[in-house]
Amino acid sequence: DGGITQSPKYLFRKEGQNVTLSCEQNLNHDAMYWYRQDPGQGLRLIYYSQIVNDFQKGDIAEGYSVSREKKESFPLTVTSAQKNPTAFYLCASSLSDTQYFGPGTRLTVL
Amino acid sequence: EDQVTQSPEALRLQEGESSSLNCSYTVSGLRGLFWYRQDPGKGPEFLFTLYSAGEEKEKERLKATLTKKESFLHITAPKPEDSATYLCAVLGGSNYKLTFGKGTLLTVNP
Repeated sequence: DGGITQSPKYLFRKEGQNVTLSCEQNLNHDAMYWYRQDPGQGLRLIYYSQIVNDFQKGDIAEGYSVSREKKESFPLTVTSAQKNPTAFYLCASSLSDTQYFGPGTRLTVL
Repeated sequence: EDQVTQSPEALRLQEGESSSLNCSYTVSGLRGLFWYRQDPGKGPEFLFTLYSAGEEKEKERLKATLTKKESFLHITAPKPEDSATYLCAVLGGSNYKLTFGKGTLLTVNP
């Protein structure tokens, strides 16, 4: 069954801690993306990767880091430098122009 | 800079009452306009991609249309299960980034 998985579904973090959100896809898509969704705002791009071992900053990359060591995986680390990390994080992948989304991870900073 | 504006912000319909959602956009060199459906706490579900003015696509009770300045998502005889937030996004120029609108929250009452 092809698709995009994100884990965990819910994540709680104390201030000052780094956390890593997982994103895996078995669609054989080359490109992967991370978005952040906040209430009342459109989705905003954090990072994207068009190919293994390469990634680019999006509009709001400060306080985040990524890696793309495998085609199937694109983990996102939310560092302690991110000032307002509480949000809904969405991973997506694409083969051409259409992006398909995972189920999301809700991160709450306590 | 690409921009997407969706209206109305919220729409409440009675079951069977047809209506339309609007997505106005400005983009440099449209490569695609995308409609997604998002249920609470879940990732966006892909509905349609439109590439050029005059194009139309249909799926069950939904029909998406595109002009040079806007797109409409027509909902014919909606049912309560059509209740969701509908997101519009554009891909322009040489970008890999989708620019999203803030969405329209549709509620269909039985």
